[in-house]
Amino acid sequence: DTEVTQTPKHLVMGMTNKKSLKCEQHMGHRAMYWYKQKAKKPPELMFVYSYEKLSINESVPSRFSPECPNSSLLNLHLHALQPEDSALYLCASSVSGAANEKLFFGSGTQLSVL
Amino acid sequence: EDQVTQSPEALRLQEGESSSLNCSYTVSGLRGLFWYRQDPGKGPEFLFTLYSAGEEKEKERLKATLTKKESFLHITAPKPEDSATYLCAVQAGGYQKVTFGTGTKLQVIP
Repeated sequence: DTEVTQTPKHLVMGMTNKKSLKCEQHMGHRAMYWYKQKAKKPPELMFVYSYEKLSINESVPSRFSPECPNSSLLNLHLHALQPEDSALYLCASSVSGAANEKLFFGSGTQLSVL
Repeated sequence: EDQVTQSPEALRLQEGESSSLNCSYTVSGLRGLFWYRQDPGKGPEFLFTLYSAGEEKEKERLKATLTKKESFLHITAPKPEDSATYLCAVQAGGYQKVTFGTGTKLQVIP
């Protein structure tokens, strides 16, 4: 199994809602990532978990809260988002998080904030 | 700050018409340069990693090369199924952070 699975595929939420994005991989990878991608822009790193510990937080607003319950699962909790947060949210994994490792991406969650 | 610039932004080719995509980078201590392919509404799919100047890698109709300042993705006799956005990315230092370029959107017309 070489897949990274993200749910849901699409999400529409109001600015007062609380929702969560989920990501799962069964490749035995120990590093997992959240990226944000606006239309026609490159992916931008948000968070990195390495061995279930948060290792990089790219100064993301606190309305985004990551959680890594175990080495196979990664969640992104969303609260009080703004319309400008509408984007494709991509989860990725790599073997250990060391330099030079290729990333395996999921298909993403397309988020619309109304 | 690491910078990655890709050109052209968009490229339209006839089927069988070979061409090259460019990725220029400015980083301190390159650890790896990556090429990914991204289809609309999907996550990027890994193609190649290049580690040092002079290195080349091939996969089917694609060939990636690396110099000290840039990388090229050569597409030989492309087919319509090669249509996608091609992303270049760099990783520097000991960091886990990968910086992506804005991509080249390739369209191959039958």
